[in-house]
Amino acid sequence: AQTVTQSQPEMSVQEAETVTLSCTYDTSESNYYLFWYKQPPSRQMILVIRQEAYKQQNATENRFSVNFQKAAKSFSLKISDSQLGDTAMYFCAFMTHSGGGADGLTFGKGTHLIIQP
Amino acid sequence: GAVVSQHPSRVICKSGTSVKIECRSLDFQATTMFWYRQFPKKSLMLMATSNEGSKATYEQGVEKDKFLINHASLTLSTLTVTSAHPEDSSFYICSVEGLYEQYFGPGTRLTVT
Repeated sequence: AQTVTQSQPEMSVQEAETVTLSCTYDTSESNYYLFWYKQPPSRQMILVIRQEAYKQQNATENRFSVNFQKAAKSFSLKISDSQLGDTAMYFCAFMTHSGGGADGLTFGKGTHLIIQP
Repeated sequence: GAVVSQHPSRVICKSGTSVKIECRSLDFQATTMFWYRQFPKKSLMLMATSNEGSKATYEQGVEKDKFLINHASLTLSTLTVTSAHPEDSSFYICSVEGLYEQYFGPGTRLTVT
C-alpha cells in the first residue's frame, strides 16, 4: 500500500514571496505518477502539476515547479511570486498505472496555504 | 481536460432514506470513474473504482451494500447511499480517469438529519 505524507498542516507567506510545500511518499511500485492538487474554498479539485516517476526532469508549470527526488521519495512543490489566489488547500497525491488502467489516487492530509496581502 | 459534473451539488435527507448522486463525464468517454469521500478539513479518501459495464471495486472498509455504485454507460456513474445515517454526512467527489491523470467533479455535499 502507498502512503503520502504532508508534514505542514498550514503555511502562511506574504504575497510575492516564494513558498515550498513538502511531500514524501512510500511505495514499492516502480511505475507511478505524482500530483499536486489545489482545493480552493469552492472545493473543486484543480490539478496544479504532474510528475511521471520515470522522468528525471522536474515538472514546471508557470509559477509552479516541483523538486522530485525519487531515491528519497520526496516531491515538494515550489510556488514562486505567490498570489492571493493561491490561497487554498494543497494536496499531494500518488497514483499507479498498470497496463489495465489507473488506480485511484492516494492523497496526503493536505497543507493549508495562506497568502497574506 | 474532461468536464465532469455532479448532481445534486447539495442534498439533505432524513436518516433511514436513500440518496443517489450522479457523476457525468460531459465530453469524455469514461471507462473508469472513482468515488472519493472527504470529511470537513480532511483529505480525500478513495471509496471505490467504478468500471463501465462491470462491478465496482471497493476499498477496504467501505460497505458495498451501503454505497451502491452503478456505471451503466461511458458517461454516467451513480453512487447510492442506502439507509443513510448522520455519520454518512460528508462531501462526495467523483473523478474520471483520463490519460495519466484524473478529472474531478465539483462534489456533492450530503447532510443526513
